[in-house]
Amino acid sequence: GESVGLHLPTLSVQEGDNSIINCAYSNSASDYFIWYKQESGKGPQFIIDIRSNMDKRQGQRVTVLLNKTVKHLSLQIAATQPGDSAVYFCAENSGGSNYKLTFGKGTLLTVNP
Amino acid sequence: GAVVSQHPSRVICKSGTSVKIECRSLDFQATTMFWYRQFPKKSLMLMATSNEGSKATYEQGVEKDKFLINHASLTLSTLTVTSAHPEDSSFYICSAREGSVGYGYTFGSGTRLTVV
Repeated sequence: GESVGLHLPTLSVQEGDNSIINCAYSNSASDYFIWYKQESGKGPQFIIDIRSNMDKRQGQRVTVLLNKTVKHLSLQIAATQPGDSAVYFCAENSGGSNYKLTFGKGTLLTVNP
Repeated sequence: GAVVSQHPSRVICKSGTSVKIECRSLDFQATTMFWYRQFPKKSLMLMATSNEGSKATYEQGVEKDKFLINHASLTLSTLTVTSAHPEDSSFYICSAREGSVGYGYTFGSGTRLTVV
């Protein structure tokens, strides 16, 4: 059979439901986090960000929660719509003069009408 | 808002040839540009970081002679895949950061490279 590692984690929700996408980050020194949405064949699209001195930030229909104790990040999407179907990545900036971002594995969100 | 133009969006080349991908910041000066590679159903993997006027910093395992990066101006970085082979086929994405706005990153739309 196929290796589990070949497939992105998936989340399937009904239109109108709330979605929660989770991410475990790796570096306790990371001080800035971003959630991106990526549609097939396109570059990542910024959704929302949060700095390490915060534990919650809200945008339009989206909320990011940060738990530094367990190095966990979540993205909540309210009233999920079919247009929200995409792959979602968290990214962390672990400091340093170059500000490079490290991306998480990604989650494929499918919204069923 | 900040816009990064990446060109070409798709390219098919023969094994052994070289391919150049351009990344331009259209309305801001990109202090730093990043190049990523993405395989199907996988995450973005950072290949290298380049600062204008200096040599690129490559991530571990990325061959600098294979993937040549030039960041000659504050609005343009190029990635050249030299002597391409089928295993170099991938989705390449650039990102640019404007130094004056802290963490602001803007991504290009990606280049699908197919080596035949």
